[in-house]
Order: sequence, then structure tokens, then C-alpha cells
Amino acid sequence: DQQVKQNSPSLSVQEGRISILNCDYTNSMFDYFLWYKKYPAEGPTFLISISSIKDKNEDGRFTVFLNKSAKHLSLHIVPSQPGDSAVYFCAASAGGYFGNEKLTFGTGTRLTIIP
Amino acid sequence: EPEVTQTPSHQVTQMGQEVILRCVPISNHLYFYWYRQILGQKVEFLVSFYNNEISEKSEIFDDQFSVERPDGSNFTLKIRSTKLEDSAMYFCASSRDRTSYEQYFGPGTRLTVT
Repeated sequence: DQQVKQNSPSLSVQEGRISILNCDYTNSMFDYFLWYKKYPAEGPTFLISISSIKDKNEDGRFTVFLNKSAKHLSLHIVPSQPGDSAVYFCAASAGGYFGNEKLTFGTGTRLTIIP
Repeated sequence: EPEVTQTPSHQVTQMGQEVILRCVPISNHLYFYWYRQILGQKVEFLVSFYNNEISEKSEIFDDQFSVERPDGSNFTLKIRSTKLEDSAMYFCASSRDRTSYEQYFGPGTRLTVT
């Protein structure tokens, strides 16, 4: 049941350049999307989110883009820093107006920033 | 900054034994969740909990699993009779209220069933 897919298991980016992580989903009921960052031996840390009524949300170095027609979202990190090296998970919710629904996660992309 | 805490960080148990995993959600949060991640696989939803009852549970959350909020701060996951395939990282999460989509996760408990 691959409702949320992250097709790149790993990505290496030079420090200072842009990192672009991609996520695709199949469930049309998903209306809220989140990115989490995870370091080894820690829990997922919330990074940034976007509602389906928007196509872009920006927070500092992080920007999430949503293309509803393509059922695709991406996370841009500019500029990439060594501390950004982690596993990034895309997650989706079908909560409608109410946000307390379960999250469905992708398999994650391991991002390595090369100094 | 408030955070979700979980204990223990690592639990080793024998097959067939009962385990209780403990979580302290963020204090003003109303919704609580358990997820698990089997090594090499994705994070999977187990159960959500609100107002002292289960809101939703996945097909993984069978009769061997139960959750409880025994007091105003703890949230527990009990596995009655552990199986080898229950070995995983178990994450507790909480969210603020019904309009809040963001869930905040604890550091996890690594459960090893031998």
C-alpha cells in the first residue's frame, strides 16, 4: 500500500547548493502534507507543512511546493548545510477540516550534504 | 521547548512476554498517537487516542495491543504477548487540537523481541 512514495532512497548535495527532495502520492483524499527530518536514534522532527489549498509554503531555508494535479510535492533546501544531513520523510493526512487524522508516511530519502 | 518523551529507550523482551511502552506527550496537547517503524521500512500508524478513547486504529493494532492514559500525563502502549515481528522502533506523537495537523514525535523506544 504505497499511498505516499519517495522514489529516491538517497541524495547527495554539495554544501551551499540546493537540495530537492521529491514525494508522490496516490490518494486524492490527502489534503495536508508534512515533511519530517530524522536523525539516527531520534524521532521524526516536524520541518514544514502545506495545505492542499496552497501551492507553496516557505520557512527560512525550506520551501515546500505542491502540485495537486500531478499529486507531487517537493522540499527545497537552500542553501544546504552539513547539519541538514538526515533522512527526510514526506507524510500526508486526509483530515479534511480537522487535523487530528493519522499520518501516512513515505519511505524516506537519506540526504547527505558534502562539505 | 516542550517535547514528547518516551521510556525506556530500549526494551529487550522474550517472545510471549508483555511489554508496556511509556510516553509523556506535550502537556497541552489533546491528541495522542502511536506509530512504529520496522527496520528498513516506513513509519506506520498504529493508533490514535482522544478524550480517553481510541479514535482510529490500523489493522496492525490487533487484540494484542492496547493503549491507556492512566493519569493526566502518561500515555502507554501495551503489547500483551510479544512476537518476533513486533521488534521495531515505537514512536509516540501528540498534536495540539483538532485543527492542528502537525504531530510532534518522541525519540522512540526500540523494542527487541528474542
